[in-house]
Amino acid sequence: QVQLVESGGGVVQPGRSLRLSCAASGFTFSSYGMHWVRQAPGKGLEWVAVISYDGSNKYYADSVKGRFTISRDNSKNTLYMQMNSLRAEDTAVYYCAKIVVPAATRSAIDYWGQGTLVTVSS
Amino acid sequence: EIVMTQSPATLSVSPGERATLSCRASQSISSNLAWYQQKPGQAPRLLIYGASTRATGIPTSTRATVIPARFSGSGSGTEFTLTISSLQSEDFAVYYCQQYNQGGTFGQGTKVEIK
Repeated sequence: QVQLVESGGGVVQPGRSLRLSCAASGFTFSSYGMHWVRQAPGKGLEWVAVISYDGSNKYYADSVKGRFTISRDNSKNTLYMQMNSLRAEDTAVYYCAKIVVPAATRSAIDYWGQGTLVTVSS
Repeated sequence: EIVMTQSPATLSVSPGERATLSCRASQSISSNLAWYQQKPGQAPRLLIYGASTRATGIPTSTRATVIPARFSGSGSGTEFTLTISSLQSEDFAVYYCQQYNQGGTFGQGTKVEIK
């Protein structure tokens, strides 16, 4: 059974940093690209970043480019998101998500974690 | 960045009626488009990928593995449609389109509500 468990969320002041983690199990993590998607309270889904199965390709939303870094450690079955220079508008639930097709980056999402809440506030 | 625009923002439909949701991409994305359903307090659920393929067979502990045939997707390039042929009570939710041709941007969502 596929499981994605995010952690690392919390309350942080504007301008500070936070690192999110996503522990994956129930599938061959090293074979699948992974996304981070966020959802502000009461708002829609916003794509944040995607990383290929081997970490060689990464793409970011314009809203986080230069501030956020997606990475993965296939030996630990873990996805990361390093978030720097945080702003109030980064406040959201952050989901990690697995894509459908192995060894692809262009693919839909079939599994989502339960999310971790990041609140940026002074 | 590719911008996805969904319309309408809200669709009021009676049970048993047909619902048609639209999604437009700011540039061609071929058929690299998915549709998701989200209900309050839940993660999104994949309905359609490749613009028109129903996502049947994705097992979870809490949801049905079969996407009913009343859900269908169409389109390619920049114009896409999700059709729900006969709305059931469990279909009232928010629907999102997502392009995955370049990154993975979502539309702003269409809320399907009971009329």
